[in-house]
Amino acid sequence: ETGVTQTPRHLVMGMTNKKSLKCEQHLGHNAMYWYKQSAKKPLELMFVYNFKEQTENNSVPSRFSPECPNSSHLFLHLHTLQPEDSALYLCASSRVERAYGYTFGSGTRLTVV
Amino acid sequence: DQQVKQNSPSLSVQEGRISILNCDYTNSMFDYFLWYKKYPAEGPTFLISISSIKDKNEDGRFTVFLNKSAKHLSLHIVPSQPGDSAVYFCAASDSGAGSYQLTFGKGTKLSVIP
Repeated sequence: ETGVTQTPRHLVMGMTNKKSLKCEQHLGHNAMYWYKQSAKKPLELMFVYNFKEQTENNSVPSRFSPECPNSSHLFLHLHTLQPEDSALYLCASSRVERAYGYTFGSGTRLTVV
Repeated sequence: DQQVKQNSPSLSVQEGRISILNCDYTNSMFDYFLWYKKYPAEGPTFLISISSIKDKNEDGRFTVFLNKSAKHLSLHIVPSQPGDSAVYFCAASDSGAGSYQLTFGKGTKLSVIP
């Protein structure tokens, strides 16, 4: 149990489907993040939420839509994805005081067919 | 442009010997560095960190060294154990940007051979 829970663990979706990834933390953290990990690439920051407000969108295509209804929950809504979007999507949370680092979830392995 | 580089995608070490994982960075504004460890099918977990005001930080078998002039840091694991086999990510942040965000390298896969 890492303290950050992601569901589902695996997801296969067609290019016309709509799905959502969920992330939940009860660590009292005030920042939450979505990262993408593709094969042989660094972890890529997608979105940052600080106290429920989105503070960063790293030029992510609009087919990825984040939602942060409260400081404990984070969603990533997916629609009309492409096969190249297949990757491991990691959620993380932290205190804004960076010394604590991030706590990651186990990730959702997404395959777009 | 990769600001954090881990040039060795993999490393194999005999059990009991020292493992040295290297990381280089290009952004001179980075002032805080972390190492994360990742097992398959799990998210990365925090291992050890170092501030730019230090050149060494030690925690048990793990020591991180920082050479600011060379923009280089390394993680030493001694003695290495089979349970240390994992992917290790180097990460850095720039507090001057008011940012608590981390920039990650591609990772190095460590295999410790019994």
